[in-house]
Amino acid sequence: EIVMTQSPATLSVSPGERATLSCRASQSVSRNLAWYQQKPGQAPRLLIYGASTRATDIPARFSGSGSGTEFTLTISSLQSEDFAIYYCQQYNNWPPITFGQGTRLEIK
Amino acid sequence: EVQLVDSGGGLVQPGGSLRLSCAASGFTFSSYAMTWVRQAPGKGLEWVSVISGVGGSTYYADSVKGRFTLSRDNSKNTLYLQMNSLTADDTAVYYCAKGLNYGGDSGLDYWGQGSPVTVSS
Repeated sequence: EIVMTQSPATLSVSPGERATLSCRASQSVSRNLAWYQQKPGQAPRLLIYGASTRATDIPARFSGSGSGTEFTLTISSLQSEDFAIYYCQQYNNWPPITFGQGTRLEIK
Repeated sequence: EVQLVDSGGGLVQPGGSLRLSCAASGFTFSSYAMTWVRQAPGKGLEWVSVISGVGGSTYYADSVKGRFTLSRDNSKNTLYLQMNSLTADDTAVYYCAKGLNYGGDSGLDYWGQGSPVTVSS
């Protein structure tokens, strides 16, 4: 099973600043990686798939990069609605499909 | 508009059974893999099971293998998760989600609202 490790667990950033979230895989997942945003009481929302492709209707301030074992989600200029929990997910070696434990992005 | 509506959750005693449903609309249901993901209270996301577009292939997390059965009725655009021998560890919100492709090896682009399952005596 591929273990996905996200860092940091919590990230405090001011509105308008850039946020950088990391995700590491225990072995290569090529570019078969997705990022999700989840707000309290809501279902997750797909942001990025294929490591860098934005999903439908996702703003351009969200970008993904990386391949193999190291991935990054960058939010270029944080808006108030971006404060949430973010999860990465690998779908390269499965089953099982595995998620990271999440990064909580909070207002500084 | 793509919609996924989860239902069937509730309170069940340990050892009991429950069947979750996910009614889909707004896309060609049989063309996409469908997945269940669960989230225990205060915890992260856990993949549970996936079924391919026509339903020929199903896969399960080790934690539910042998107890849960995933199926789909493409004529009714509905996904089912039969859960047996439930334990407290199965307590979670269960989400159905649509895959980006037919096979299941993809991101999940649409999610249901979640169906809470509580296993307790």
